[in-house]
Amino acid sequence: DTGVSQDPRHKITKRGQNVTFRCDPISEHNRLYWYRQTLGQGPEFLTYFQNEAQLEKSRLLSDRFSAERPKGSFSTLEIQRTEQGDSAMYLCASSPSGSGNTIYFGEGSWLTVV
Amino acid sequence: SQQGEEDPQALSIQEGENATMNCSYKTSINNLQWYRQNSGRGLVHLILIRSNEREKHSGRLRVTLDTSKKSSSLLITASRAADTASYFCATDPYSGAGSYQLTFGKGTKLSVIP
Repeated sequence: DTGVSQDPRHKITKRGQNVTFRCDPISEHNRLYWYRQTLGQGPEFLTYFQNEAQLEKSRLLSDRFSAERPKGSFSTLEIQRTEQGDSAMYLCASSPSGSGNTIYFGEGSWLTVV
Repeated sequence: SQQGEEDPQALSIQEGENATMNCSYKTSINNLQWYRQNSGRGLVHLILIRSNEREKHSGRLRVTLDTSKKSSSLLITASRAADTASYFCATDPYSGAGSYQLTFGKGTKLSVIP
């Protein structure tokens, strides 16, 4: 399967713990995105990478959130000191460079903070 | 913030009927994309229509775009039970700053009854 891969698919954590999600984009895509989706809502943009450079960050990305994309390949999204409001599905997506390209999403990582 | 607004929020039809979903947005766009999401899963890209296009077809899907009204519609013809899912429009806003984030609506939940 050469689609966007995310791990883990589900994570239950206690409030205050740190969690990390990993995303492996489609291999030839140099753009990578993270979105968050809560129940009944559409996905909301969190951050965007062009190769290893993080070029855009949403105001939704508080200082407890950090994303990296070392070497411009896979990416990680870490949430520190999790809160119940962080419970959501975290979606990774990738696309080729150039304007107007289709963005391909992974299956998402569900986070439940208890 | 969510720019797109899908209408209706929920739609229930019989198998074989056509389903029409509408999307309105607020700012100028480069393109508009439609995605499907099965419950608890990631988003699957359906079709992309550029701002200089008015209509596009893909299989049983027909998408229209009216930039003067800032609206788009997705028509699924001869619906099947497998089309049951949530459908989202996502706008790629035109931005001189080179923003690459998609902005999603809240989606239309389609139920196709066998």
